[in-house]
Parts: sequence; C-alpha cells; structure tokens
Amino acid sequence: NAGVTQTPKFRILKIGQSMTLQCAQDMNHNYMYWYRQDPGMGLKLIYYSVGAGITDKGEVPNGYNVSRSTTEDFPLRLELAAPSQTSVYFCASSSGRGRYTGELFFGEGSRLTVL
Amino acid sequence: SQELEQSPQSLIVQEGKNLTINCTSSKTLYGLYWYKQKYGEGLIFLMMLQKGGEEKSHEKITAKLDEKKQQSSLHITASQPSHAGIYLCGAAGTGTASKLTFGTGTRLQVTL
Repeated sequence: NAGVTQTPKFRILKIGQSMTLQCAQDMNHNYMYWYRQDPGMGLKLIYYSVGAGITDKGEVPNGYNVSRSTTEDFPLRLELAAPSQTSVYFCASSSGRGRYTGELFFGEGSRLTVL
Repeated sequence: SQELEQSPQSLIVQEGKNLTINCTSSKTLYGLYWYKQKYGEGLIFLMMLQKGGEEKSHEKITAKLDEKKQQSSLHITASQPSHAGIYLCGAAGTGTASKLTFGTGTRLQVTL
C-alpha cells in the first residue's frame, strides 16, 4: 500500500520559474492537504480539498494554486517562484469521517529550493 | 487563529531517561493530535486526544489532555534511540475539514 506519494523529492528552481508538485493517494481519502514546513516554524497549511472539484485556501495560499480533478490527485502549482517559497512541502490526506478526524497520512515531502 | 506553543524546543536525553514535552494552545481545544517526524521524512500519527483528562499510550509514549489549561503533555518513559525525532502537536479547528494547526515542534535527541 503506497499511501501518499509525492514527486519530486528534491527540486531547485530559479526565481520566476514555475513548477508543479505532484501528490497522489491510494486510500480513497476525500480530504487532502498541502503544508509547507520552514525550519523551526512548524507546518503551515497552504491549501486543502474536501473532495474532487472542491478546494479552499489555508493559512498561506499566496503564490500557489491547486486543483482536484480526481479523488486520488492533488497537485500544487507554484507560479513565479520566489526565494520565500524555499521550503519542504508535505501533502497529506485523511478520510474525513466524523468531526475529529485529525489522523492525517503524510507523504515524505518535497524539498524545494528557489535561487 | 489558533496557535500552539511547544516546550521545550529541543531536548537531549540519555538513553533510559524519561522526558516530557508540552503543548499549549491559545484557544479552546477540540481535539489534540501528536505526530512524530523522523529527520527528512514525513509525519507519522501517534495518537489523538479528544476529551479533557483523557490519557492514551502507545508503546512507551503517553499523552494527556488538560482541557481546562488548553494543554497536552507527551511523556516518554525509558527513552530509546528510536524515539529520536521531532514531535509535533496539532489541534483541530471547529470546522469539518479536519484542518490541523501545528506547533513548532520539539526536536528530541537520545544519546547512548
């Protein structure tokens, strides 16, 4: 069982370039999330989705876009990369059943450096 | 917005020693979650606490929730090198999307 798969694991971008971080889950989870983790800063929610076709902003959405065309996939698009977007990005999913459904399943992360 | 403060920020303990990590919320807790992150990897769910006074254990790790103090503690008994990593607490908001707010984490090193 693969769980949550993120690609690429590492990427270096030049300022102004664009790229897409891929995330796929095979657990048939409705809820998916993108977080970024900066050193010593914990995780910040970028975008989330409660099902195919539905996305919403999290705490730090500026500079990013998402789409959710299928239950399995939740790609994160970075437009016009900036050094402030240098971070480790984590995709996560959950079943979303019940009110207290904070058991998230995380991917291994994508380390992005913008130079 | 809800903020979670963890203490200490980092901890170095000798193998076999006990330790406690605290997580304090700025707002009412509707659910408190503990995760562990090994260096360079994703987060792994440890346990979830929902009710005040609730206590759960997973192997040698015990977590408690004090709803009145808006605080949770994570206690590791007889630490082992396998316990090393970053421990993060997460809190659920009042919405239904299970969006978690995370603390800044506690980095634990276990020396031989």
